[in-house]
Amino acid sequence: DAKTTQPPSMDCAEGRAANLPCNHSTISGNEYVYWYRQIHSQGPQYIIHGLKNNETNEMASLIITEDRKSSTLILPHATLRDTAVYYCIVSTSGTYKYIFGTGTRLKVLA
Amino acid sequence: DTAVSQTPKYLVTQMGNDKSIKCEQNLGHDTMYWYKQDSKKFLKIMFSYNNKELIINETVPNRFSPKSPDKAHLNLHINSLELGDSAVYFCASSQGWGPSNQPQHFGDGTRLSIL
Repeated sequence: DAKTTQPPSMDCAEGRAANLPCNHSTISGNEYVYWYRQIHSQGPQYIIHGLKNNETNEMASLIITEDRKSSTLILPHATLRDTAVYYCIVSTSGTYKYIFGTGTRLKVLA
Repeated sequence: DTAVSQTPKYLVTQMGNDKSIKCEQNLGHDTMYWYKQDSKKFLKIMFSYNNKELIINETVPNRFSPKSPDKAHLNLHINSLELGDSAVYFCASSQGWGPSNQPQHFGDGTRLSIL
């Protein structure tokens, strides 16, 4: 079973920030949080990952709570091309494998 | 240049046949993976190889056999194909194997349809 829970769907207006939440209450101290997205049926695309500090790259920002039990992916200015399924993943200790959940289907509206 | 490339992109075949899917990465990564995404869109890890050594082998029928001739290639051979094998198969690679040595880079998938 996935170690994360996400809302099944969200809408966001084009040009606005999209804030996608993720709960990972059973995360262990050395486990990273990863975010990917899948546009249509293409291969998942890596977005960002972090351990405990907030992270930012050219695609998004990742905010991780101090207790590390939840995180938020922020797309600062959503465009129509950001419409996709977004997956929050915590890789399992030991095997470091990804267990994908059902993700959040983000729809960016014009 | 495509980082992770899979061939073929589409594969339509009869039940009972044997088929192979090939994957190549030009990123210089040490670790490669096979995932299966079924019709309900659940994406599941099947296998992983690190430096040509099998490190993840999920509960997959032994009709599925991965082979890694070198670090840049991971092929998937499927014997006696069944209707339930219809899915999209994704190959991925990562720099290494460990808590922070990912992220993984995915190919565009191979869409397998069994008639």
